[in-house]
Amino acid sequence: EPEVTQTPSHQVTQMGQEVILRCVPISNHLYFYWYRQILGQKVEFLVSFYNNEISEKSEIFDDQFSVERPDGSNFTLKIRSTKLEDSAMYFCASSGEVSGANVLTFGAGSRLTVL
Amino acid sequence: SQQGEEDPQALSIQEGENATMNCSYKTSINNLQWYRQNSGRGLVHLILIRSNEREKHSGRLRVTLDTSKKSSSLLITASRAADTASYFCGGSNYKLTFGKGTLLTVNP
Repeated sequence: EPEVTQTPSHQVTQMGQEVILRCVPISNHLYFYWYRQILGQKVEFLVSFYNNEISEKSEIFDDQFSVERPDGSNFTLKIRSTKLEDSAMYFCASSGEVSGANVLTFGAGSRLTVL
Repeated sequence: SQQGEEDPQALSIQEGENATMNCSYKTSINNLQWYRQNSGRGLVHLILIRSNEREKHSGRLRVTLDTSKKSSSLLITASRAADTASYFCGGSNYKLTFGKGTLLTVNP
């Protein structure tokens, strides 16, 4: 079964450092997403990406965040200057159009701990 | 916002019993989806119901949708300990947004 892979599984960083989280979506999918989940909280939408550009972003996705699809397979989330409150689980997801419905396949997540 | 909000926040039942979780959303949607999350893992898609459908079945899952009330329910019949997880709903017009989920605990 095709899957979305994310690396690293866990990253610990100092406040103010830059972090890049990587994702390899399912190869024939067209839509890519980042979500985050602070421990015990809801799964929050960050950004969606289609046709090499951001299609939608949430209020959380401010200037500290950026996404990129540097090649045909990877999809990255960069946090420029991490804050303590960025500590969370970050999930990448991808979807292919299925009869007008976007069913998301999620990766296992990258746990980010900011000290 | 199309955010799904799940209710109750937590549900504890015995193996073999049925579990019912509810979902409310705020704006018109094309479809509503349910996902499950095992502790600390990614969400896994369970079932999708389109806005023109009222009920859908998949194995032990039954989903209903009431667009007039902007609500949905997920019924898991004959629950098993392995069903223990958090369950999330999301209304979709391409962007899925979720609530805090329902934490279901099935006791053996």
